[in-house]
Amino acid sequence: AQSVTQLDSQVPVFEEAPVELRCNYSSSVSVYLFWYVQYPNQGLQLLLKYLSGSTLVKGINGFEAEFNKSQTSFHLRKPSVHISDTAEYFCAVSRGISGGSYIPTFGRGTSLIVHP
Amino acid sequence: GAGVSQTPSNKVTEKGKYVELRCDPISGHTALYWYRQSLGQGPEFLIYFQGTGAADDSGLPNDRFFAVRPEGSVSTLKIQRTERGDSAVYLCASSSGRGNQETQYFGPGTRLLVL
Repeated sequence: AQSVTQLDSQVPVFEEAPVELRCNYSSSVSVYLFWYVQYPNQGLQLLLKYLSGSTLVKGINGFEAEFNKSQTSFHLRKPSVHISDTAEYFCAVSRGISGGSYIPTFGRGTSLIVHP
Repeated sequence: GAGVSQTPSNKVTEKGKYVELRCDPISGHTALYWYRQSLGQGPEFLIYFQGTGAADDSGLPNDRFFAVRPEGSVSTLKIQRTERGDSAVYLCASSSGRGNQETQYFGPGTRLLVL
C-alpha cells in the first residue's frame, strides 16, 4: 500500500517570498511522484512529476521539487510566489500498472494563500 | 483544443434517487479515469478504463456505483440509491494511454449534492 502525507493544510505567504510545500510518502515499492495544482473552479493540472533520473524536477510556473528517497519526501518549492499562485496543491504517489498508465494516491492538499 | 468536459457541473438530488454523471475525454485519449473528491480531501480513485473496458474498478466503494464507456470515448458514472455520503465532487481525467506515467488531464468536475 502507498500513502501521502501533506504536512500543512494551509500555507500563507507574502507575494515575492519563497515557499515550500511539504510532502512525505510511504510505499513498499518504487514509486512515481507528482504535484498537481487546483485553481478555484478549475480542474487539477499537473505541475511536475518524478519518474526516475535526476532528483530535482522542474515544472511549470517556476515550481520545482526534489525527490529524497532516504527521507521519503518530495517537497515543492518556488523561489518567489505571485498572487496568481494562490490555489490548492496536491502531492500524489503512484505505481505503474499494466497498460501503460498509473493510478495516483493523493494527499489531502495544501492551500497556498499568497498575500499582497 | 478542447479539454476534458463534464456534465452537469452541479447536480442536486434526493436520497435514494439515481444519478448519471457524464465525462467527455480529450479526443483520441484511450485511457479514462474517475475520481471522487470529498470536502477537504484529495481525489480518490474510483475506476479506470482503457478503451471500452474497465481495466481497474478497485476504487468503486460498493455495488451502487457503476461506470460504462461503450464506444471508448464518452463515459458515464452511474450511482444508484444515492446516499448523503455520496455528496462530493466527481472528477474525470483522460490520458493518451500510450506510455508509462502519461499525463492525466482533468475535467472541472461535477459537484453532487445528495439531500
